[in-house]
Amino acid sequence: GQQLNQSPQSMFIQEGEDVSMNCTSSSIFNTWLWYKQDPGEGPVLLIALYKAGELTSNGRLTAQFGITRKDSFLNISASIPSDVGIYFCAGPLGYSSASKIIFGSGTRLSIRP
Amino acid sequence: SQTIHQWPATLVQPVGSPLSLECTVEGTSNPNLYWYRQAAGRGLQLLFYSVGIGQISSEVPQNLSASRPQDRQFILSSKKLLLSDSGFYLCAWSGHQQGRGNTIYFGEGSWLTVV
Repeated sequence: GQQLNQSPQSMFIQEGEDVSMNCTSSSIFNTWLWYKQDPGEGPVLLIALYKAGELTSNGRLTAQFGITRKDSFLNISASIPSDVGIYFCAGPLGYSSASKIIFGSGTRLSIRP
Repeated sequence: SQTIHQWPATLVQPVGSPLSLECTVEGTSNPNLYWYRQAAGRGLQLLFYSVGIGQISSEVPQNLSASRPQDRQFILSSKKLLLSDSGFYLCAWSGHQQGRGNTIYFGEGSWLTVV
């Protein structure tokens, strides 16, 4: 079935570094969603993108809706310890309001000791 | 505003025992409802998806079942738990926004350990 390919699977960063991750699909999406999950909690929505080429920021986070509509990118600037967690991309299959939403496999972000 | 609540938060159950996890959504009507499972350190596996009362899609063959007895209530059940059913279970909902794609919101999660 259709799936979202998220990379990298994991990354170790130094505090203060910038972080980039992406999500790709073989299908066109009309919405891209980025979530962060802290240990033992449900994922929380960070940024929602609704238009090809759209660039949206939420504090130190910036996400972009790829112009091909088959990919999306999330950047974190000047990382801090609380950025540690799992980041998921997601998008609805289809254009109906009843469309199922699927998720990428996640990018695990850790701070290098 | 909309809220989603699921319970219990943690559960330790013996193999072969039944399971019931419950989820309710407030502040919206006719939501799409989801049950996901997440193994430790892994991604989100969609188990069940519902677009309305009594309408349940099963995504993965398993010994779990789901029911939607009311518009904003979603229940995950099992008659006999297996060790492999252990994991973190997440309920979620999405709305019906005209002109924009859906956004999905998650509950707090339920930790299930089968022993």
